[in-house]
Amino acid sequence: DTEVTQTPKHLVMGMTNKKSLKCEQHMGHRAMYWYKQKAKKPPELMFVYSYEKLSINESVPSRFSPECPNSSLLNLHLHALQPEDSALYLCASSQDSGNTIYFGEGSWLTVV
Amino acid sequence: AQSVAQPEDQVNVAEGNPLTVKCTYSVSGNPYLFWYVQYPNRGLQFLLKYITGDNLVKGSYGFEAEFNKSQTSFHLKKPSALVSDSALYFCAVRDMRVTTSGTYKYIFGTGTRLKVLA
Repeated sequence: DTEVTQTPKHLVMGMTNKKSLKCEQHMGHRAMYWYKQKAKKPPELMFVYSYEKLSINESVPSRFSPECPNSSLLNLHLHALQPEDSALYLCASSQDSGNTIYFGEGSWLTVV
Repeated sequence: AQSVAQPEDQVNVAEGNPLTVKCTYSVSGNPYLFWYVQYPNRGLQFLLKYITGDNLVKGSYGFEAEFNKSQTSFHLKKPSALVSDSALYFCAVRDMRVTTSGTYKYIFGTGTRLKVLA
């Protein structure tokens, strides 16, 4: 089973709100990722956690704050976002950082 | 520079005809190559990968891909297209440069929209 579960599927938030996106996998994968995808564009890497430690931050603005509470969970905390941050946010995982990446269904974020 | 290119924004094919979605890559060393499919309003689904071995790789939903080292290509193919194959297809390559943290990145192509006409 190659399942990555993301919640919520849809989120609408104001520019002053604080919200979180959640991701869970039970495949024993040790690398977890956050990607941002705009319509009809390829996914853009935001963060990579490897063995529960942040290993890549692609110069993402601090209004996005990742957290990896344990090896199965990955959160993305959102605060003071801008309308241009509206996008599909994809979580993914892989056995380790060099292996096949499996994506969740994504969370559609709209910032108003 | 490590890169992957999908030269066609859109490919149209009639149902029942063979389909090809093109991908070329530029990496140093032996490439790790992947194909993903994205249906509307969904996440990316893994189709197949090439790491080593047979140049013809078989994947999900009847798709296959042919690795050609001399042409640095990894084209996705299917002998008989279905309307339900209509989706956005991404080719990806693992960046062979490992970061200082020992983590690999993946480089995605710009995507090719496949439209299968009934």
